Amino acid sequence: EDQVTQSPEALRLQEGESSSLNCSYTVSGLRGLFWYRQDPGKGPEFLFTLYSAGEEKEKERLKATLTKKESFLHITAPKPEDSATYLCAVQSYGDAGGTSYGKLTFGQGTILTVHP
Amino acid sequence: ETGVTQTPRHLVMGMTNKKSLKCEQHLGHNAMYWYKQSAKKPLELMFVYSLEERVENNSVPSRFSPECPNSSHLFLHLHTLQPEDSALYLCASSQDRASGDTQYFGPGTRLTVL
Repeated sequence: EDQVTQSPEALRLQEGESSSLNCSYTVSGLRGLFWYRQDPGKGPEFLFTLYSAGEEKEKERLKATLTKKESFLHITAPKPEDSATYLCAVQSYGDAGGTSYGKLTFGQGTILTVHP
Repeated sequence: ETGVTQTPRHLVMGMTNKKSLKCEQHLGHNAMYWYKQSAKKPLELMFVYSLEERVENNSVPSRFSPECPNSSHLFLHLHTLQPEDSALYLCASSQDRASGDTQYFGPGTRLTVL
């Protein structure tokens, strides 16, 4: 069974204080690892998809990296508007028969608060 | 309208009521999903439809009944729910269901069961 663990559960930063969020995963063959941002009461907003170890993607102050066991979301010089819950999810190739039905397995998320 | 839309945004219902949640995607995707997000729990996949064909998820109680009349619309019919069913219900869509395609989410329906 696929598993995703995110740490820390909550992170409080001062504006401009760079940091990283961690996503550790266990899958039976990784199809993709996804990062989303979720604001309170809203649906998850897509940030990045990573497919293979060594891959990196950037968008504004965010950079996502991927190894064979974990992914990091690096936040450089964060601003208060970056405050949100950041979700990590994986999609795997499924069971030994190779079947998969598009399931995303999510972590519990990291609640990021950036103070001015 | 763009992306994935959901209606209603908020719903309060009694345990004996019957209601339906609606989702519409404007992205031309072939797969649609229902997820449940409960407080302090990870998002849980409920149902998947690919080209209007349902892929069963056996862990979902029968009081939740999905319907996908075409590739752009998805419904979740609710009946005789329990208070523990109160949650944010999210709809998502992707180009294909099992190829690593990104799933795009709607804003969700906040359901409260009294």
